[in-house]
Amino acid sequence: DIQMTQSPSSLSASVGDRVTITCRASQDIHTYLAWFQQKPGRAPKALMFAASSLQPGVPSKFSGSGSGTDFTLTITSLQPEDFASYFCQQYYNLPLTFGGGTKVEV
Amino acid sequence: EVQLVESGGDVVQPGGSLRLSCAAAGFTFDDYGMHWVRQAPGKGLEWVSGISWNTNSIVYADSVKGRFTISRDNAKSALYLEMNTLRTEDTALYYCVKDRRNSVHDGLDVWGQGTKVTVSS
Repeated sequence: DIQMTQSPSSLSASVGDRVTITCRASQDIHTYLAWFQQKPGRAPKALMFAASSLQPGVPSKFSGSGSGTDFTLTITSLQPEDFASYFCQQYYNLPLTFGGGTKVEV
Repeated sequence: EVQLVESGGDVVQPGGSLRLSCAAAGFTFDDYGMHWVRQAPGKGLEWVSGISWNTNSIVYADSVKGRFTISRDNAKSALYLEMNTLRTEDTALYYCVKDRRNSVHDGLDVWGQGTKVTVSS
């Protein structure tokens, strides 16, 4: 199975900050990577697919980059509604696997 | 608007069985692969099973293989998960999730709100 490792597991930020979350795959997954946002008590929401493509309706303050084994999610100008947990997920191989998550908090 | 509504979650004893359902609306159900993903309390996300649009591809996580069965009824726009020989470690919120395309490995997009399964004596 492909292991997905996210860092950091949590980070403190302020409104207006720019934050970057890293996701590393245990083997080359090309750009078969998705990012999700999850707020407490809510279902995950898809943000990005193919490492850098925004899902419809997702604001452009979210951006993704990377290929192979190393990927990043960047959120610019953090707003109160962006404080949440973020997960990466690979879909290069089955089983689909997720990173452990990064909690972005105040 | 795409909607996925899960049901069937309950409290069940170890060794018991349960059937989860997912009602889909707002998209052409039989054009897309579908998945079940679970999240144990306070834990991360674990993919459980996926099924392609035409059921030709059905896949399971090793942790549930031989115990869980995924199926779909395209005429009813419904997805199911038959869960047998349940273990305490199966306790989780189970999400029904739509694939981006008709297979089982093109990425996940829309998620339902989940249905809670508790396995406890």
